Amino acid sequence: DAGVIQSPRHEVTEMGQEVTLRCKPISGHDYLFWYRQTMMRGLELLIYFNNNVPIDDSGMPEDRFSAKMPNASFSTLKIQPSEPRDSAVYFCASSAGSPTGRGVFGPGTRLTVL
Amino acid sequence: DQQVKQNSPSLSVQEGRISILNCDYTNSMFDYFLWYKKYPAEGPTFLISISSIKDKNEDGRFTVFLNKSAKHLSLHIVPSQPGDSAVYFCAASELEYGNKLVFGAGTILRVKS
Repeated sequence: DAGVIQSPRHEVTEMGQEVTLRCKPISGHDYLFWYRQTMMRGLELLIYFNNNVPIDDSGMPEDRFSAKMPNASFSTLKIQPSEPRDSAVYFCASSAGSPTGRGVFGPGTRLTVL
Repeated sequence: DQQVKQNSPSLSVQEGRISILNCDYTNSMFDYFLWYKKYPAEGPTFLISISSIKDKNEDGRFTVFLNKSAKHLSLHIVPSQPGDSAVYFCAASELEYGNKLVFGAGTILRVKS
């Protein structure tokens, strides 16, 4: 298995632009997570899905953030409009059978909003 | 309000010596704890876990200790190797199966050769 795949690996955009991050979880994993890593706050859970259904989105910082999982093999995290304070590394992770399972993380997308 | 705290942003240790990374939590309902390791430009990878019914779990050079009364856990790496240099995240959840993980901010470990 290729592991969790994220794209793009790096994204540089200007304030106000729409940003879409993509994730392909490990086949057979029924949980998918979106995390954000910043120096100040470390790893924060933004949202997680179980069987493509959003279960907890309490970590989504604002309405500018949205996430979808149209099928078991694909998820997106969208920021519209983007702001400089959104600059961070965004990780997607997946796990099997439990939201606290030994989740497998993707390599992350480094987002820079100018 | 951070429920999982790693108060040491960084730690430097000589190769061959013991590395001790600490983690404190505030939620007394947490009963499952994990450590993840992260190298630059990679995602975190699972390292070791412990359930609240135990106070120690060992896996090779890595041992996690849990002190429930103090709401404190620690990761010991013995002996430390240069390849252990990474960011270490502590994480906790309320139920081993059923609730999301809450991560600390991470500790950068540098092992000097």
